[in-house]
Order: sequence, then C-alpha cells, then structure tokens
Amino acid sequence: QVQLVQSGAEVKKPGSSVKVSCKASGGTFSNYPINWVRQAPGQGLEWMGRIIPILGILNYAQNFQGRVTITADKSTNTVYMELSSLRSEDTAVYYCARGGTLGFDSWGQGTLVTVSS
Amino acid sequence: EIVLTQSPGTLSLSPGERATLSCRASQSVNSNYLGWYQQKPGQAPRLLIYGASSRATGIPDRFSGSVSGTDFTLTISRLEPEDFALYYCQQYGSSPTFGQGTRLEIK
Repeated sequence: QVQLVQSGAEVKKPGSSVKVSCKASGGTFSNYPINWVRQAPGQGLEWMGRIIPILGILNYAQNFQGRVTITADKSTNTVYMELSSLRSEDTAVYYCARGGTLGFDSWGQGTLVTVSS
Repeated sequence: EIVLTQSPGTLSLSPGERATLSCRASQSVNSNYLGWYQQKPGQAPRLLIYGASSRATGIPDRFSGSVSGTDFTLTISRLEPEDFALYYCQQYGSSPTFGQGTRLEIK
C-alpha cells in the first residue's frame, strides 16, 4: 500500500510562506485526491484543500482561498502545499491524506509548522 | 458548508463497556460520504469507518457505524484499553468538514 511521507518541521516568521511536501512511497497517487488537513495545538482537524494529481483538479476550502496553493509533480509522485502570509494562528501540524469515495484512508506522518517572530 | 456536531464532548467509560458516539450533520450528506477517525496523541488520524457504515481495512469488528437521516453513530461494542482516544466524524463530499471531536476516556 502507498505510504505518504512528508517533509520535516519548519519554523517561519510572520508574513512569510511555507511549502510542505508529501511524497508517495511504494507506489503512485494514481487517480486519488490528495488532501491537506491541519491541526492547531490542542484543536480539531481542518480541511484546507485537495488536488487530483493525475488530472490537476483543485479544490480549496473557503477559509484558505487566496493563501494556499496545492501543486503536484507527477514525475516524482510528490504533492506540495504552500501557505503564504503566515501568522501565529497558522502554527499547526499539517497532514496530507489520500482521500476518495472510501474516506481519507492513508495519512502522512504530519509536519509541524511553527510561526514565530 | 456542512457543519458536523459531535456529542458528547467527553465520554467516560470502562474497558468492556459499550461506547456510543454521535455526529449530527446540518444538512444531508452526499451519498453518505461520512467517515469516522480515531486519533491518539502524537499520531495522525486513522480511518475506522467510511460510507457511514463500512469498516476500513484492518479495523476490528467491535467498531460499527450507522446512520438515520442526518444522524450518524459510531458504536464500539466492547471497549479495549487501546480504544481510549479522540474520535472525529467527517463528511468527505465536495468540501470536506470535520466534527469537533469526542474524547473517549477511561473512567
């Protein structure tokens, strides 16, 4: 089964951007959507957006429209999530997750992004 | 946006007891695209149930899901020590949303 491996923790300044990667290990993304979900410390799960890599179809959550960009590199089976204009409230663990009609059945290990001056 | 409201916020039970977790949707969920996830500290969520009532791969049969209209239920028939965790419901239609979670703690 495909495993999702994410890039390492990041520390960023307010106003800057962060780019987190999610690589399919042991296979490809195929035609499954790859989603990004974040979880602030001690808080619940928040969906940010998704991409279907093979088709390039994108959906973004309204809360993140204009600030998040999700891209895919099919040659390396890697999906990227870039979040701009960072503020302290963006401090969270960011997860990628494979999701289709059978739910979000495979998750990356999470990437902690800390926004601090 | 579909709002999911989970109850109770915290559930205190003992191993061997039956747990019933609820999730109410603010409107109809497309094709019953409703999932339940378990999350333990420091770990990513794990899919338990998809399509409201189908168990994901490798999930023990003590976990079951059901639906009545816009009310969804996760039942754990006999709690094992490893079941004490956070549980989230999620609708994964066109714009996915999560419930706020139910904490299942040992009494």
